[in-house]
Amino acid sequence: AQTVTQSQPEMSVQEAETVTLSCTYDTSESDYYLFWYKQPPSRQMILVIRQEAYKQQNATENRFSVNFQKAAKSFSLKISDSQLGDAAMYFCAYRSSRAGGTSYGKLTFGQGTILTVHP
Amino acid sequence: KAGVTQTPRYLIKTRGQQVTLSCSPISGHRSVSWYQQTPGQGLQFLFEYFSETQRNKGNFPGRFSGRQFSNSRSEMNVSTLELGDSALYLCASSPGTDSLSTRATFGSGTRLTVV
Repeated sequence: AQTVTQSQPEMSVQEAETVTLSCTYDTSESDYYLFWYKQPPSRQMILVIRQEAYKQQNATENRFSVNFQKAAKSFSLKISDSQLGDAAMYFCAYRSSRAGGTSYGKLTFGQGTILTVHP
Repeated sequence: KAGVTQTPRYLIKTRGQQVTLSCSPISGHRSVSWYQQTPGQGLQFLFEYFSETQRNKGNFPGRFSGRQFSNSRSEMNVSTLELGDSALYLCASSPGTDSLSTRATFGSGTRLTVV
């Protein structure tokens, strides 16, 4: 079974500064997807960024980028130029790319990191 | 394009009762997944439906069940409610084919409180 671990229950950052959220995972599969989701007080989970394990290039989405280290099973999220609207709970998640069976629809989530942004 | 709609947003039930939660996916999406979110256990996968068929199921007791209708709307039912069932229940929809289901869109959830 896959597991996802976020070791930082809480993080804080000053507005306009950079912050990095950590995530490690454990899997015996060689092909999979990794995600970062953001959950603001509105409760809706919003996809921030996605990484395919077979791609060596790190994904980027505007101010958000990841550092994907496949051998180390590490997947950190860097938020640059932090904004007040970035304050939320952030979840790292894993999904198998294996077709069918126990992979359908199933995301495995970490415990989350609460990010506070100070003005 | 309307998002994923979950109703009701809040619900209070008594121990022993049953409850039904509803999820309307994005138009054209055929896959609906359900998750339970609690402070202690975090986010846990309940089940996934595609074209009215359950394709995958998490490790929850049989009191948790679901179904999907021909219009892709899904319901989940919890019977004989326990205090520990108090949680935020989230659903996510996606087109359903494997390569596209990695872009699931979530609803805002139903907050269930069991007293």
